[in-house]
Amino acid sequence: KAGVTQTPRYLIKTRGQQVTLSCSPISGHRSVSWYQQTPGQGLQFLFEYFSETQRNKGNFPGRFSGRQFSNSRSEMNVSTLELGDSALYLCASSLSPLDRGGDTQYFGPGTRLTVL
Amino acid sequence: GQNIDQPTEMTATEGAIVQINCTYQTSGFNGLFWYQQHAGEAPTFLSYNVLDGLEEKGRFSSFLSRSKGYSYLLLKELQMKDSASYLCAVRVFSGGYNKLIFGAGTRLAVHP
Repeated sequence: KAGVTQTPRYLIKTRGQQVTLSCSPISGHRSVSWYQQTPGQGLQFLFEYFSETQRNKGNFPGRFSGRQFSNSRSEMNVSTLELGDSALYLCASSLSPLDRGGDTQYFGPGTRLTVL
Repeated sequence: GQNIDQPTEMTATEGAIVQINCTYQTSGFNGLFWYQQHAGEAPTFLSYNVLDGLEEKGRFSSFLSRSKGYSYLLLKELQMKDSASYLCAVRVFSGGYNKLIFGAGTRLAVHP
């Protein structure tokens, strides 16, 4: 069974630009969660999509948005990039949404975003 | 506010047992997760607790006391490959949404 895949793996952007990251979950998984990881802030939860709907969300500004398609693939968009957005962006998939028990979450390898 | 505390670093000897503690002060507690993350790699889910007590999974066990806001991850028969960061995360229900709040992680070094 293929794991969670994320594209691209590395990305360099400049301040003010926007970026779209993609995540393909494990086949059959309908929940996709997005996380930001930085040395200073650690791992932070961005949001979760389940069956094409945003089901749960963290405390990030509206510049961070996402969507999920009918095949459960998800995209995350960051507009008006800031230097502080440089981070590793991870997605994770699971069978059930976060609020329904403790299904195992499987993480992808991440997208390393650098904002110059 | 929401706060999760874990020791920053721990060291242990191969074959030994180590306990990694996690204390949390959160409102809307809705479950606790432990993840393992090797350097340069994505996290791996280890365990989930929502009720008080001990959950055992092979060499790994996780304990939760909701009244004390306390959890620990117990690793037995340590192996060199257990050298990694261990992240405690609390699921909270707030503002109509569930979200995960992560601790800063505990970096465990296992020595021969």
